[in-house]
Amino acid sequence: GENVGLHLPTLSVQEGDNSIINCAYSNSASDYFIWYKQESGKGPQFIIDIRSNMDKRQGQRVTVLLNKTVKHLSLQIAATQPGDSAVYFCAENRWAGTALIFGKGTTLSVSS
Amino acid sequence: ETGVTQTPRHLVMGMTNKKSLKCEQHLGHNAMYWYKQSAKKPLELMFVYNFKEQTENNSVPSRFSPECPNSSHLFLHLHTLQPEDSALYLCASSQEPGGSGNTIYFGEGSWLTVV
Repeated sequence: GENVGLHLPTLSVQEGDNSIINCAYSNSASDYFIWYKQESGKGPQFIIDIRSNMDKRQGQRVTVLLNKTVKHLSLQIAATQPGDSAVYFCAENRWAGTALIFGKGTTLSVSS
Repeated sequence: ETGVTQTPRHLVMGMTNKKSLKCEQHLGHNAMYWYKQSAKKPLELMFVYNFKEQTENNSVPSRFSPECPNSSHLFLHLHTLQPEDSALYLCASSQEPGGSGNTIYFGEGSWLTVV
């Protein structure tokens, strides 16, 4: 079936580096995307979202890029910190009235 | 503090037990959800409620029985579970049950172990 997936299950970076976490989606009808962060022992926490009428959105130290042509979503974290270590999920909304569908996560490990 | 509170945080139960998970949201949202999170798997949607009415059951076995007495409270009643049901059960809420721009907010989850 169609799923939102991530390219890499794990990503290791050094503190201070920029991190890029990727996600591919298969349904061109999806019009809303969210990135969540899940720390160990906690529930997923909203980071940033983007609608399909945009190709870029920036938050504090985070940027989400959307490429509808190749159905690709990415999360960029600037100056990665040890506190950014977590599992990151992308999620898509496919149809009005249906809950978000999540892909597999990418585990980000930040070393000092 | 996400505005979605789940209890208990940890639960160990035998296969013949009956237990319940509780969720309360303080965000004034209309939609509530149960998700299941198992190791190495994506979050799986289980149930969706909108204004206390169930709008989606994602082929969940009947040993999981949800209850939504009002828009702020959601329960998941558990009965004769299997060891493979051991997982993190996440409650969530959103203003509406889907649609563009509708962000879902999660609780901290209830860790369930079936022995």
